[in-house]
Amino acid sequence: KNEVEQSPQNLTAQEGEFITINCSYSVGISALHWLQQHPGGGIVSLFMLSSGKKKHGRLIATINIQEKHSSLHITASHPRDSAVYICAVNSGGGADGLTFGKGTHLIIQP
Amino acid sequence: DTGVSQDPRHKITKRGQNVTFRCDPISEHNRLYWYRQTLGQGPEFLTYFQNEAQLEKSRLLSDRFSAERPKGSFSTLEIQRTEQGDSAMYLCASSLGTGSSDSPLHFGNGTRLTVT
Repeated sequence: KNEVEQSPQNLTAQEGEFITINCSYSVGISALHWLQQHPGGGIVSLFMLSSGKKKHGRLIATINIQEKHSSLHITASHPRDSAVYICAVNSGGGADGLTFGKGTHLIIQP
Repeated sequence: DTGVSQDPRHKITKRGQNVTFRCDPISEHNRLYWYRQTLGQGPEFLTYFQNEAQLEKSRLLSDRFSAERPKGSFSTLEIQRTEQGDSAMYLCASSLGTGSSDSPLHFGNGTRLTVT
Protein backbone atom coordinates (compact mmCIF):
# COMPACT_ATOMS: atom_id res chain seq x y z
CA LYS A 1 0.00 0.00 0.00
CA ASN A 2 1.32 3.39 -0.95
CA GLU A 3 1.89 5.84 1.87
CA VAL A 4 1.35 9.46 0.89
CA GLU A 5 2.72 12.20 3.09
CA GLN A 6 2.07 15.90 2.62
CA SER A 7 3.79 18.85 4.19
CA PRO A 8 3.07 21.21 5.67
CA GLN A 9 -0.24 20.16 7.18
CA ASN A 10 -1.27 23.79 7.67
CA LEU A 11 0.11 26.90 6.01
CA THR A 12 -0.84 30.53 6.53
CA ALA A 13 0.76 33.13 4.28
CA GLN A 14 0.29 36.70 3.17
CA GLU A 15 -1.19 37.64 -0.17
CA GLY A 16 1.46 37.70 -2.87
CA GLU A 17 3.76 35.12 -1.28
CA PHE A 18 5.16 32.15 -3.20
CA ILE A 19 3.65 28.94 -1.83
CA THR A 20 5.12 25.45 -1.92
CA ILE A 21 3.30 22.30 -0.84
CA ASN A 22 5.15 19.01 -0.83
CA CYS A 23 4.06 15.42 -1.36
CA SER A 24 6.09 12.24 -1.00
CA TYR A 25 5.03 8.68 -1.58
CA SER A 26 6.52 5.30 -0.80
CA VAL A 27 5.86 3.10 -3.83
CA GLY A 28 6.26 3.70 -7.54
CA ILE A 29 3.24 5.20 -9.22
CA SER A 30 1.66 5.58 -12.63
CA ALA A 31 0.27 9.06 -11.97
CA LEU A 32 0.05 11.72 -9.28
CA HIS A 33 -2.86 14.10 -8.85
CA TRP A 34 -3.05 17.48 -7.17
CA LEU A 35 -6.56 18.33 -6.06
CA GLN A 36 -8.12 21.43 -4.53
CA GLN A 37 -10.94 21.12 -2.03
CA HIS A 38 -12.98 24.07 -0.87
CA PRO A 39 -15.16 24.13 2.26
CA GLY A 40 -18.36 22.22 1.57
CA GLY A 41 -16.61 19.32 -0.06
CA GLY A 42 -16.23 20.09 -3.76
CA ILE A 43 -12.98 18.75 -5.16
CA VAL A 44 -11.37 20.06 -8.32
CA SER A 45 -8.58 18.30 -10.13
CA LEU A 46 -5.69 20.72 -10.68
CA PHE A 47 -3.06 18.50 -12.24
CA MET A 48 -2.43 14.93 -13.18
CA LEU A 49 1.20 14.20 -13.93
CA SER A 50 3.56 11.28 -14.27
CA SER A 51 6.79 13.12 -15.04
CA GLY A 52 8.34 16.54 -15.30
CA LYS A 53 6.40 19.70 -14.75
CA LYS A 54 3.02 21.22 -15.58
CA LYS A 55 1.86 24.83 -15.36
CA HIS A 56 -1.62 26.27 -15.32
CA GLY A 57 -1.94 29.97 -14.64
CA ARG A 58 -0.28 30.70 -11.30
CA LEU A 59 -0.05 27.02 -10.40
CA ILE A 60 2.96 24.83 -11.12
CA ALA A 61 3.30 21.13 -10.31
CA THR A 62 6.53 19.18 -10.49
CA ILE A 63 7.33 15.55 -9.91
CA ASN A 64 10.59 13.68 -9.37
CA ILE A 65 9.94 10.01 -10.00
CA GLN A 66 13.33 8.85 -8.70
CA GLU A 67 12.88 10.68 -5.40
CA LYS A 68 9.15 9.84 -5.19
CA HIS A 69 8.34 13.46 -4.54
CA SER A 70 6.09 16.14 -6.00
CA SER A 71 5.60 19.81 -5.26
CA LEU A 72 2.75 22.18 -5.93
CA HIS A 73 3.70 25.85 -6.23
CA ILE A 74 1.42 28.86 -6.22
CA THR A 75 2.89 32.13 -7.43
CA ALA A 76 1.47 35.54 -6.42
CA SER A 77 -0.90 33.88 -3.95
CA HIS A 78 -4.35 35.36 -3.44
CA PRO A 79 -6.98 34.88 -0.70
CA ARG A 80 -9.14 32.95 -3.17
CA ASP A 81 -6.38 30.30 -3.24
CA SER A 82 -7.33 29.45 0.35
CA ALA A 83 -8.39 25.80 0.30
CA VAL A 84 -7.20 22.32 1.15
CA TYR A 85 -4.73 20.96 -1.38
CA ILE A 86 -4.62 17.19 -1.63
CA CYS A 87 -2.01 14.98 -3.25
CA ALA A 88 -3.19 11.61 -4.50
CA VAL A 89 -1.31 8.82 -6.25
CA ASN A 90 -2.35 6.02 -8.52
CA SER A 91 -0.14 3.02 -7.95
CA GLY A 92 -0.76 1.55 -11.34
CA GLY A 93 -3.23 -0.53 -13.29
CA GLY A 94 -5.94 2.12 -13.11
CA ALA A 95 -8.14 -0.24 -11.13
CA ASP A 96 -7.13 0.52 -7.58
CA GLY A 97 -8.45 4.00 -7.18
CA LEU A 98 -6.21 6.56 -5.59
CA THR A 99 -4.36 6.82 -2.33
CA PHE A 100 -4.76 10.27 -0.87
CA GLY A 101 -2.64 12.39 1.39
CA LYS A 102 -4.35 14.10 4.31
CA GLY A 103 -4.20 17.46 2.61
CA THR A 104 -2.57 20.82 3.27
CA HIS A 105 -4.85 23.50 4.64
CA LEU A 106 -3.75 26.78 3.05
CA ILE A 107 -4.93 30.18 4.21
CA ILE A 108 -3.86 33.29 2.30
CA GLN A 109 -4.42 36.45 4.29
CA PRO A 110 -5.03 39.77 2.49
CA ASP B 1 -21.16 18.68 -19.69
CA THR B 2 -22.87 19.14 -16.34
CA GLY B 3 -20.11 17.49 -14.35
CA VAL B 4 -20.52 14.77 -11.75
CA SER B 5 -23.66 15.16 -9.68
CA GLN B 6 -24.47 13.50 -6.40
CA ASP B 7 -27.76 13.24 -4.60
CA PRO B 8 -28.64 14.04 -1.90
CA ARG B 9 -26.18 16.70 -0.75
CA HIS B 10 -26.95 16.01 2.87
CA LYS B 11 -28.54 13.06 4.62
CA ILE B 12 -29.34 12.76 8.30
CA THR B 13 -30.46 9.35 9.45
CA LYS B 14 -30.92 7.44 12.67
CA ARG B 15 -28.62 4.61 13.56
CA GLY B 16 -29.86 1.34 12.14
CA GLN B 17 -31.59 2.84 9.12
CA ASN B 18 -30.61 2.15 5.53
CA VAL B 19 -29.50 4.94 3.23
CA THR B 20 -28.85 5.11 -0.51
CA PHE B 21 -26.81 7.69 -2.38
CA ARG B 22 -26.75 8.31 -6.10
CA CYS B 23 -23.96 9.46 -8.39
CA ASP B 24 -24.37 10.56 -11.99
CA PRO B 25 -20.95 10.69 -13.66
CA ILE B 26 -19.96 12.64 -16.74
CA SER B 27 -21.81 10.86 -19.50
CA GLU B 28 -18.88 9.58 -21.55
CA HIS B 29 -16.83 8.49 -18.53
CA ASN B 30 -16.47 4.74 -18.18
CA ARG B 31 -14.83 4.70 -14.76
CA LEU B 32 -16.60 5.61 -11.55
CA TYR B 33 -15.11 5.72 -8.08
CA TRP B 34 -16.61 6.05 -4.60
CA TYR B 35 -14.58 7.57 -1.78
CA ARG B 36 -15.28 8.37 1.86
CA GLN B 37 -13.83 11.36 3.65
CA THR B 38 -13.98 12.04 7.37
CA LEU B 39 -13.22 15.39 8.93
CA GLY B 40 -9.59 16.41 8.66
CA GLN B 41 -8.63 13.40 6.57
CA GLY B 42 -8.03 12.84 2.90
CA PRO B 43 -10.56 10.75 0.97
CA GLU B 44 -10.31 6.97 1.25
CA PHE B 45 -11.02 4.66 -1.65
CA LEU B 46 -14.16 2.53 -1.30
CA THR B 47 -14.89 0.96 -4.65
CA TYR B 48 -14.46 1.34 -8.39
CA PHE B 49 -16.47 0.49 -11.50
CA GLN B 50 -15.41 0.19 -15.07
CA ASN B 51 -18.65 0.44 -17.00
CA GLU B 52 -21.09 -1.77 -15.08
CA ALA B 53 -18.45 -4.06 -13.59
CA GLN B 54 -17.33 -3.52 -10.01
CA LEU B 55 -13.62 -4.23 -10.28
CA GLU B 56 -12.26 -3.27 -6.90
CA LYS B 57 -13.52 -3.03 -3.35
CA SER B 58 -11.63 -1.64 -0.39
CA ARG B 59 -11.44 -3.53 2.87
CA LEU B 60 -13.20 -0.46 4.29
CA LEU B 61 -16.33 -1.60 2.49
CA SER B 62 -17.96 -3.91 5.02
CA ASP B 63 -20.83 -6.20 4.14
CA ARG B 64 -23.23 -3.42 5.14
CA PHE B 65 -22.08 -1.45 2.09
CA SER B 66 -23.12 -2.27 -1.45
CA ALA B 67 -22.61 -0.38 -4.66
CA GLU B 68 -24.10 -0.87 -8.09
CA ARG B 69 -23.78 0.61 -11.52
CA PRO B 70 -26.43 -1.38 -13.35
CA LYS B 71 -26.24 0.13 -16.82
CA GLY B 72 -22.75 1.53 -16.67
CA SER B 73 -24.10 5.03 -16.17
CA PHE B 74 -25.27 6.22 -12.73
CA SER B 75 -24.21 4.43 -9.58
CA THR B 76 -25.78 3.92 -6.18
CA LEU B 77 -24.09 3.33 -2.85
CA GLU B 78 -26.24 1.76 -0.15
CA ILE B 79 -25.39 1.50 3.51
CA GLN B 80 -27.51 -0.90 5.55
CA ARG B 81 -27.98 -0.71 9.32
CA THR B 82 -26.06 2.56 9.53
CA GLU B 83 -23.70 3.16 12.44
CA GLN B 84 -22.45 6.46 13.85
CA GLY B 85 -19.02 5.64 12.46
CA ASP B 86 -20.49 5.81 8.96
CA SER B 87 -20.90 9.58 9.33
CA ALA B 88 -18.70 11.08 6.62
CA MET B 89 -18.66 12.77 3.26
CA TYR B 90 -19.19 10.25 0.46
CA LEU B 91 -17.54 11.40 -2.74
CA CYS B 92 -18.05 10.10 -6.25
CA ALA B 93 -15.62 10.67 -9.09
CA SER B 94 -15.50 9.65 -12.72
CA SER B 95 -12.90 9.45 -15.43
CA LEU B 96 -12.31 8.18 -18.92
CA GLY B 97 -9.80 5.38 -18.77
CA THR B 98 -8.35 2.76 -21.04
CA GLY B 99 -6.11 0.01 -19.75
CA SER B 100 -3.72 1.40 -17.17
CA SER B 101 -4.13 5.04 -18.17
CA ASP B 102 -6.71 7.41 -16.81
CA SER B 103 -7.91 10.90 -17.56
CA PRO B 104 -8.06 13.41 -14.71
CA LEU B 105 -10.74 12.64 -12.17
CA HIS B 106 -13.85 14.75 -11.96
CA PHE B 107 -15.44 14.82 -8.52
CA GLY B 108 -18.97 15.42 -7.43
CA ASN B 109 -19.72 17.72 -4.50
CA GLY B 110 -20.34 14.75 -2.25
CA THR B 111 -23.11 13.53 0.01
CA ARG B 112 -22.62 14.37 3.66
CA LEU B 113 -24.07 11.63 5.86
CA THR B 114 -24.81 12.20 9.53
CA VAL B 115 -25.89 9.20 11.58
CA THR B 116 -27.50 10.14 14.89
